[in-house]
Amino acid sequence: EAQVTQNPRYLITVTGKKLTVTCSQNMNHEYMSWYRQDPGLGLRQIYYSMNVEVTDKGDVPEGYKVSRKEKRNFPLILESPSPNQTSLYFCASSLTGLSNEKLFFGSGTQLSVL
Amino acid sequence: AQSVTQPDIHITVSEGASLELRCNYSYGATPYLFWYVQSPGQGLQLLLKYFSGDTLVQGIKGFEAEFKRSQSSFNLRKPSVHWSDAAEYFCAVGATDSWGKFQFGAGTQVVVTP
Repeated sequence: EAQVTQNPRYLITVTGKKLTVTCSQNMNHEYMSWYRQDPGLGLRQIYYSMNVEVTDKGDVPEGYKVSRKEKRNFPLILESPSPNQTSLYFCASSLTGLSNEKLFFGSGTQLSVL
Repeated sequence: AQSVTQPDIHITVSEGASLELRCNYSYGATPYLFWYVQSPGQGLQLLLKYFSGDTLVQGIKGFEAEFKRSQSSFNLRKPSVHWSDAAEYFCAVGATDSWGKFQFGAGTQVVVTP
């Protein structure tokens, strides 16, 4: 089954403790992206990747890092999480990243930073 | 810069009644336009998209949307709502002059009453 898999689904952590949220897709997609969803703000793009070793900032990249060493994986790294990063995070992918392509989303990761 | 506005944060509709969700965009040209639905605890799923051509587009689950260039709008409609349509709906735009970047609206929460 074609899917985008995020782990974990829920994560509670404390300020400053480094964490990684994993994202993997099995569709051989070139494009992957991370979003955060906050009430009243919708989804905001954090980072995206057009291919292996090619990443770029979205609208809200501060406090986040990403890497794309393999085509299928696109982890989101919070080196020193802060409470304002408490949010629902989604990973998405598409075939090439063209702006007319459908995005495939993971089920989300609810992060709470205390 | 492109932007998307969903004026209605929350809509309550009776089962069997019609539904219309509003979306307005701001962009220099006609962008690529999408509607996604997010069911509770799930990722986003594409309902429909518009690139060009016929301004009335049909999607899944009985939804349709109409693009109106003069109003910069892309409103989503369904003639008869089912209880399973209770969800959050997001309008999104993809830029025609760049790859990889998408803007989402703040979302409209739809509640369906018996």
